[in-house]
Amino acid sequence: QQQVKQSPQSLIVQKGGIPIINCAYENTAFDYFPWYQQFPGKGPALLIAIRPDVSEKKEGRFTISFNKSAKQFSLHIMDSQPGDSATYFCANTGTASKLTFGTGTRLQVTL
Amino acid sequence: SAVISQKPSRDICQRGTSLTIQCQVDSQVTMMFWYRQQPGQSLTLIATANQGSEATYESGFVIDKFPISRPNLTFSTLTVSNMSPEDSSIYLCSVLAKRIGNEQFFGPGTRLTVL
Repeated sequence: QQQVKQSPQSLIVQKGGIPIINCAYENTAFDYFPWYQQFPGKGPALLIAIRPDVSEKKEGRFTISFNKSAKQFSLHIMDSQPGDSATYFCANTGTASKLTFGTGTRLQVTL
Repeated sequence: SAVISQKPSRDICQRGTSLTIQCQVDSQVTMMFWYRQQPGQSLTLIATANQGSEATYESGFVIDKFPISRPNLTFSTLTVSNMSPEDSSIYLCSVLAKRIGNEQFFGPGTRLTVL
């Protein structure tokens, strides 16, 4: 499977801060870039996704920025809350719909 | 989103035995997948479960070790055969519902511990 490089591995921010998680992909044929949020003991939950025909997508406090020429995309969490503490995975997929996941970022939001 | 259930939610098994994990979706879906998530790690695709035909396995996974069935559009099973401690992982099914778009939704997972 094609790799998706995700950074940082872990992140600690204070409440109200804006954590940013970055991913870089290899295969330019991929056309769907989702982010998943996973709490301990739970399955990953789809958070937000973007296609390469737009450079940014916002849903609530979550924003994806997409840079097609650099083959990078990132997740921004505005006004982060302790309840956002979770592991975040980026992923991508092409026509076969098989998801390739990044390595994950463990986010902790402190009071 | 699709509602996905998995059984069992967790199990502790002895080396050399087999466990079958069930995945049930509340609506017909076009594609179903099985993933493995080792402790503290990311998710790795095991195979695509094909309705009415043999599953399509990813590199490093074989049918003898992970036989998969998908008898209809809402149900699939994954068997972990001849288990060893290295098979201790979370096993997750996911579904792709074309009516929603390309979104994939995951079940809650089955936490397997092999002693």
